[in-house]
Amino acid sequence: QKEVEQNSGPLSVPEGAIASLNCTYSDRGSQSFFWYRQYSGKSPELIMFIYSNGDKEDGRFTAQLNKASQYVSLLIRDSQPSDSATYLCASRSGSARQLTFGSGTQLTVLP
Amino acid sequence: GAGVSQSPSNKVTEKGKDVELRCDPISGHTALYWYRQSLGQGLEFLIYFQGNSAPDKSGLPSDRFSAERTGGSVSTLTIQRTQQEDSAVYLCASSGWDRAVYNEQFFGPGTRLTVL
Repeated sequence: QKEVEQNSGPLSVPEGAIASLNCTYSDRGSQSFFWYRQYSGKSPELIMFIYSNGDKEDGRFTAQLNKASQYVSLLIRDSQPSDSATYLCASRSGSARQLTFGSGTQLTVLP
Repeated sequence: GAGVSQSPSNKVTEKGKDVELRCDPISGHTALYWYRQSLGQGLEFLIYFQGNSAPDKSGLPSDRFSAERTGGSVSTLTIQRTQQEDSAVYLCASSGWDRAVYNEQFFGPGTRLTVL
């Protein structure tokens, strides 16, 4: 069983809508969680990280973490066509430094 | 340099050949990671270096894979006797050392390896 699961999509939303990306993890020792955006043919870039239960907002992005349910989500408000990319969820456990990635969700924002 | 650099950007090799992939991390970053990404998949951890400590090799898929980091900076990932299933994008990342629960890993552009 993969440790970090994401709906592979593709997910399509109209421009201006809220895009909701979800991720579950199986390792209860996971302490911090990361959302990376990856444009086609490019390397991943960090959007947000979260390690406390609740919501964390940064501009149009909100990360949500529920450790009891082992669930992480990323909301993108006022979605733009430039947000079209693959979004990778990753976790980090305990003292480990490497990240465990999900397979990614492909998001398309339609003009 | 401003970011993580990797070379070559593309490598095509024949099955059974050895290949070397290079990573130059961000100056001052003590941690260096290798991941690989197969087509349509997430990133798979391979190996992690932190300063002068012994590397964490727990992600290496077979003994054909090895990596070294010289002088705490540049790293080379070597794949011996390449197989077709080794075809993937090999990504290197680096980060500063910190004790926080987060540490941002900055990724290089990757090396696309194709084994014919």
